[in-house]
Amino acid sequence: EAEVAQSPRYKITEKSQAVAFWCDPISGHATLYWYRQILGQGPELLVQFQDESVVDDSQLPKDRFSAERLKGVDSTLKIQPAELGDSAMYLCASSSDGRRLYEQYFGPGTRLTVT
Amino acid sequence: EDKVVQSPLSLVVHEGDTVTLNCSYEVTNFRSLLWYKQEKKAPTFLFMLTSSGIEKKSGRLSSILDKKELFSILNITATQTGDSAVYLCAFYNYGQNFVFGPGTRLSVLP
Repeated sequence: EAEVAQSPRYKITEKSQAVAFWCDPISGHATLYWYRQILGQGPELLVQFQDESVVDDSQLPKDRFSAERLKGVDSTLKIQPAELGDSAMYLCASSSDGRRLYEQYFGPGTRLTVT
Repeated sequence: EDKVVQSPLSLVVHEGDTVTLNCSYEVTNFRSLLWYKQEKKAPTFLFMLTSSGIEKKSGRLSSILDKKELFSILNITATQTGDSAVYLCAFYNYGQNFVFGPGTRLSVLP
């Protein structure tokens, strides 16, 4: 069964360092989402792509976060510089177009710890 | 501001019990409400509800939506230890955004 791939699974970094996360959605899925989930809370949307275009990045802290999906397939989320409050699980999800747009498939996530 | 409220935030039951999880929402441009189960990793999709009063069932799980009162419930009958997880409610609006609630942490004891 096709899955959303994410790497790394775990990342520990010191504050002020740069970190990057990678996501490869299910083949053929045009919509890709990046979420941040703080322990004990639900996922919070950071950025949404439709193919290579950003649909919504209103909750992305643009002073330190950036996201790209250059060829409309895989995507990278970067944080520079990392802050202690960025410690969280970063989830990537994808969905297909049309009637099943609501059905997101999540990757395993990247757990970030900033020390 | 759109929001989703879930209750209770945590719940401990014994195997065989029936549980009801609640989700209420305030949202503009509502399109659908979704339920997810999250164990130790990523959320997995359970149900999508768009119309009021139509129950969705999958095994021991069922869910229903009330669009007038702006809430949904998720029922789990004859709970098993494998049902222990965080259950997330989310809505999906016509802006094609998903907004998640904080989740209900369910613990099923043997």
